[in-house]
Amino acid sequence: SQTIHQWPATLVQPVGSPLSLECTVEGTSNPNLYWYRQAAGRGLQLLFYSIGIDQISSEVPQNLSASRPQDRQFILSSKKLLLSDSGFYLCAWSTPGTGYQPQHFGDGTRLSIL
Amino acid sequence: QKEVEQDPGPLSVPEGAIVSLNCTYSNSAFQYFMWYRQYSRKGPELLMYTYSSGNKEDGRFTAQVDKSSKYISLFIRDSQPSDSATYLCAILDAGTYKYIFGTGTRLKVLA
Repeated sequence: SQTIHQWPATLVQPVGSPLSLECTVEGTSNPNLYWYRQAAGRGLQLLFYSIGIDQISSEVPQNLSASRPQDRQFILSSKKLLLSDSGFYLCAWSTPGTGYQPQHFGDGTRLSIL
Repeated sequence: QKEVEQDPGPLSVPEGAIVSLNCTYSNSAFQYFMWYRQYSRKGPELLMYTYSSGNKEDGRFTAQVDKSSKYISLFIRDSQPSDSATYLCAILDAGTYKYIFGTGTRLKVLA
């Protein structure tokens, strides 16, 4: 069966510091991968998605970036965090290829910027 | 107009009640619909998914899609306090591989 791991679960960072959040999927090859941010009462905001190891699409201009160093690994980064980067960050995956497949989420990282 | 609209609630019901959660969507081309349950400080958990119109049942949960009205529903029978969570509807835009989420409805089932 497939599993998704996301870490760390909680992170407190000062303004201006760098960020690296990791997400790894096990049990499937070449998954579609997604990063979301969830603000209280505002739903899920898609940040990045990748439908192949060489394809990463950005949805929202910001000081965040994403990379996919391996087939099943997705990393969210920032060189300098802003106060507005606080939130709940979720990684998700879906089965690759065409067809209709649901999306599966990790347990998220709660990021607080001080 | 948002692509997916969902009443944020909160919705409070007594234990044992039938709960109806709903979303509307704007694009009639959408065909794949999902419901997620999210407990506080956890990631969304897939509950059910349906393709095109009709009903799908899984235990106490029934998902319903009415494509003519662009309306999707999740029914919870015999609701339990453990069902207290935020419920998110989602739709797959198959052309872009993107999933479009409602803002979620907070449900509280009172013992």
